[in-house]
Amino acid sequence: AQTVTQSQPEMSVQEAETVTLSCTYDTSESDYYLFWYKQPPSRQMILVIRQEAYKQQNATENRFSVNFQKAAKSFSLKISDSQLGDAAMYFCAYRGSRGAQKLVFGQGTRLTINP
Amino acid sequence: DVKVTQSSRYLVKRTGEKVFLECVQDMDHENMFWYRQDPGLGLRLIYFSYDVKMKEKGDIPEGYSVSREKKERFSLILESASTNQTSMYLCASRGGTRDNEQFFGPGTRLTVL
Repeated sequence: AQTVTQSQPEMSVQEAETVTLSCTYDTSESDYYLFWYKQPPSRQMILVIRQEAYKQQNATENRFSVNFQKAAKSFSLKISDSQLGDAAMYFCAYRGSRGAQKLVFGQGTRLTINP
Repeated sequence: DVKVTQSSRYLVKRTGEKVFLECVQDMDHENMFWYRQDPGLGLRLIYFSYDVKMKEKGDIPEGYSVSREKKERFSLILESASTNQTSMYLCASRGGTRDNEQFFGPGTRLTVL
């Protein structure tokens, strides 16, 4: 079974600085999808960024980018120029590609932005 | 924009009560999911449905059942609530042209006393 591990329960960063959240996963599949979701306090979870495993290029969405290391099964999220609105729980998630329906989530990392 | 709504944000029930959590999505998505979220454990899948009247067990189905009589609505049922089912419950849907993205509802925080 696939597993996703986020080893940092909490992280903090100064406003305008850069922070990297770690995620590792375990799978025997060669084709799959990886996601980072953000859950702001008392608000709905939203997708931040996704990566298809067959793509070598790391995904980027504005200030958010990933470092996808397929051989190492690592998928970290980098947030540049951190803003107060980035404060949230961040979840890393995995989904297989063969008709797999479900997401497998990590434990989450709570990110605090210090003004 | 996709909208996923859940019937209650907060719910307090007694042990042994039958509890219904309702989820509705407005984008004609085929797939719907129920997760529970607990600190330090992330989100764990309880049940999912890929079509009307179709359902599959997730990772932690014990103590729960589901119903999907209409495409837009997916209900989670706790047949006899227990204190260890106190948790945050999140509904999600997926489908259409954005099939790689799950859209989440706001969550229901259930407390079982």
